Amino acid sequence: DAGVIQSPRHEVTEMGQEVTLRCKPISGHNSLFWYRQTMMRGLELLIYFNNNVPIDDSGMPEDRFSAKMPNASFSTLKIQPSEPRDSAVYFCASSLRQAMNTEAFFGQGTRLTVV
Amino acid sequence: AQKVTQAQTEISVVEKEDVTLDCVYETRDTTYYLFWYKQPPSGELVFLIRRNSFDEQNEISGRYSWNFQKSTSSFNFTITASQVVDSAVYFCALSEKSGGGADGLTFGKGTHLIIQP
Repeated sequence: DAGVIQSPRHEVTEMGQEVTLRCKPISGHNSLFWYRQTMMRGLELLIYFNNNVPIDDSGMPEDRFSAKMPNASFSTLKIQPSEPRDSAVYFCASSLRQAMNTEAFFGQGTRLTVV
Repeated sequence: AQKVTQAQTEISVVEKEDVTLDCVYETRDTTYYLFWYKQPPSGELVFLIRRNSFDEQNEISGRYSWNFQKSTSSFNFTITASQVVDSAVYFCALSEKSGGGADGLTFGKGTHLIIQP
């Protein structure tokens, strides 16, 4: 398997623009997570889905952030409008939800810079 | 609320030394899971180990070993005979079990490990 695939790897955008980050989870995994990594706050969970349904979005910083999972093989994280403080590395991860909590496998991340 | 503390921000040792990375966690759940991830300079997050709260057996994998102690809420990670390739940021993480499935991880701030040749 190719692992979790994120695109783009790097994104530079101007303040106020819309940004869309994409994620393809590992085939067969039914849980998907979006994390954000910054120097100040470390790694934070933004939102996660089970079987394409959002379960917990309490980590989404504000209404400018939204995430969708239209099917089992694709998810997006959108920021509209973007602000400089959104600059961070955004990771997508997937895992197999079952009785035992399994490990999450991470994509390589999208480094977002908002200028 | 769950919390993970990695008190060591940065550790620097000379190659071949043993090094232990500390992790202390807080949770109100009796069922939970602990993880260690490695983030090398290239930036990806690499899974190292998962432990559930009912399994306090220590684990060894090559030069890596983990010491889980519920009495002190700690899950420490030791690298024996460290190598330059071990240089990375290491994260300890916690997940509480709810609804019988996979929930998100709460990460510690990470320990930056530098192995000098």
